[in-house]
Amino acid sequence: EVQLVESGGGLVQPGGSLRLSCAASGFTFTSHWMGWARQAPGKGLQWVANINQDGSDKNYVDSVKGRFTVSRDNARNSVDLQMNSLRAEDTAVYYCARSTYYAGTGTYYSVYWGQGTLVTVSS
Amino acid sequence: EIVLTQSPATLSLSPGERATLSCRASQSVSRQLAWYQQKPGQAPRLLIYDASSRATGIPARFSGSGSGTDFTLTISSLEPEDFAAYYCQQRSIWPITFGLGTRLEIK
Repeated sequence: EVQLVESGGGLVQPGGSLRLSCAASGFTFTSHWMGWARQAPGKGLQWVANINQDGSDKNYVDSVKGRFTVSRDNARNSVDLQMNSLRAEDTAVYYCARSTYYAGTGTYYSVYWGQGTLVTVSS
Repeated sequence: EIVLTQSPATLSLSPGERATLSCRASQSVSRQLAWYQQKPGQAPRLLIYDASSRATGIPARFSGSGSGTDFTLTISSLEPEDFAAYYCQQRSIWPITFGLGTRLEIK
């Protein structure tokens, strides 16, 4: 059974840092892109970052570039999101997701998601 | 960045009725579009990928259509468990973007 379990969320002051972690199990971790998405309270979804199978290719949405860093440890089957210089607008539930390749259009989609971890940026 | 516009924002229907949700992209995404269902306090659930393919385990009452810039999610006969928020997502060009969602509520 595929499982993704996020941890590391909490309350942090503006300008502070937080590191989220996602522990993966039930599948061959090294075969999949992994990503982080977030959802502000009562709002829609935003994709934040992606990382490829060996960690050599990373993508970030503009609003977090230079502040957030995605990384993975294939020995521990985990993917992390280091968040620095946090702002109030970063307050959200952060989801870890596994991407699966679909040959039809050659596109990756996220079937498996964790339950999310809440990050609150407030003084 | 590709902007996805979903309509309507809220749809009020009764069980057994047909639901039609729309998603329009600001530029072509070919068929690289997905639909997700999300219930309060839960993670999103993939319903449709590649615009019209049902994900594993998704009931046949869910169908997707469209290509380019105009897409539709249809629920042929609403079940009580279908009342939730629905989001379209494009995977054609980075950044991956979502629409703002359609909230399907019980009339």
